[in-house]
Amino acid sequence: NAGVTQTPKFQVLKTGQSMTLQCAQDMNHNSMYWYRQDPGMGLRLIYYSASEGTTDKGEVPNGYNVSRLNKREFSLRLESAAPSQTSVYFCASSVHGGVSGANVLTFGAGSRLTVL
Amino acid sequence: SQQGEEDPQALSIQEGENATMNCSYKTSINNLQWYRQNSGRGLVHLILIRSNEREKHSGRLRVTLDTSKKSSSLLITASRAADTASYFCATGGHPETSGSRLTFGEGTQLTVNP
Repeated sequence: NAGVTQTPKFQVLKTGQSMTLQCAQDMNHNSMYWYRQDPGMGLRLIYYSASEGTTDKGEVPNGYNVSRLNKREFSLRLESAAPSQTSVYFCASSVHGGVSGANVLTFGAGSRLTVL
Repeated sequence: SQQGEEDPQALSIQEGENATMNCSYKTSINNLQWYRQNSGRGLVHLILIRSNEREKHSGRLRVTLDTSKKSSSLLITASRAADTASYFCATGGHPETSGSRLTFGEGTQLTVNP
């Protein structure tokens, strides 16, 4: 079982470049999430998708776009990267979505992004 | 702003000792979860406690929840060097208002010395 797979694991960009982080899960989970982790800030939610076909902003959505391509895949796009987006990005998924109550997240291994 | 705040930020103990980490939060919750993160890895779910529960156990883990004080604690008994990691609390709001989102705290870095 692969669980949640993120690509790439590492990426270096120049300011203004664009890129897409890919995420796929093989657990038939309804909900998927993108978080960023910065030192001293914990994990902050960027965007999430409660179910296929829906996406919603999280705490820090500015500068990012997402696509829920199908039930398995949820991508995060940086259209014009900025140094403030240097971070470790985590994709996660959960069984429940919407009004079902508690959601236990399964995380990917993370993608470390550096913007110069 | 972060919903959960862990205390202490860092904790260093000897193998065999118990480790206690605390989490405080601000708003009403549906559930509270604890996750572990080993260096350079993703987070792994440890235990979930619902708002109508006061205590839960899982192996060497004991979690308590006091909704009147908006706080939780994670106790790891008989710690091992392999328990060295960052530990995060995460709060889940009520589905009708916050849907499926979890809000994470900043974490406690636990170091268990052999």
